[in-house]
Amino acid sequence: GAVVSQHPSRVICKSGTSVKIECRSLDFQATTMFWYRQFPKQSLMLMATSNEGSKATYEQGVEKDKFLINHASLTLSTLTVTSAHPEDSSFYICSARDYGAGYNEQFFGPGTRLTVL
Amino acid sequence: DAKTTQPPSMDCAEGRAANLPCNHSTISGNEYVYWYRQIHSQGPQYIIHGLKNNETNEMASLIITEDRKSSTLILPHATLRDTAVYYCIVRVGGTGNQFYFGTGTSLTVIP
Repeated sequence: GAVVSQHPSRVICKSGTSVKIECRSLDFQATTMFWYRQFPKQSLMLMATSNEGSKATYEQGVEKDKFLINHASLTLSTLTVTSAHPEDSSFYICSARDYGAGYNEQFFGPGTRLTVL
Repeated sequence: DAKTTQPPSMDCAEGRAANLPCNHSTISGNEYVYWYRQIHSQGPQYIIHGLKNNETNEMASLIITEDRKSSTLILPHATLRDTAVYYCIVRVGGTGNQFYFGTGTSLTVIP
């Protein structure tokens, strides 16, 4: 099946710094990728839809200036958490659809655990 | 997208079939039913999806009622590695259509 990777898998940073998380589709092209956030013992919350070559679409309540998304190629989307604070500590997960496969399912990355001190 | 309702938790004996229900009474005609699972601290894993016919793959079977207002995911022979949170999602098919996750069912397979 299609593989989605994320880097880094785990990151610890100081409050006020910015952190970049990469999401890659390894063996397929993804015109659309999605970013989710998951707090402990909670479900995944969709943050934004990332479209290759255009601006991301953010869900209501998600600050676009706080969570910068760039989808510069068909295999890479990045999420930058700017000026991170402890409340941004969470599990960040991306997903992508295999555009050429003809299926409707999305494939998820393994997630990135962000801890802001 | 339509909302789904799932029991918060279920237990299943190892080797037995696990039947996970999902209610989606407001589903629209063009919305598919998807099932994903999430093992602790990992990304969700695709299991199966369907529109109105029952579906089966190497992982599971999906039974959708005739009125499409509910469905059941069946893991035919549950193993300890099937312990996970199972999410039932309904969404319109298509490249850019989002998945909105509900609270899911936490399945524990008991030895």
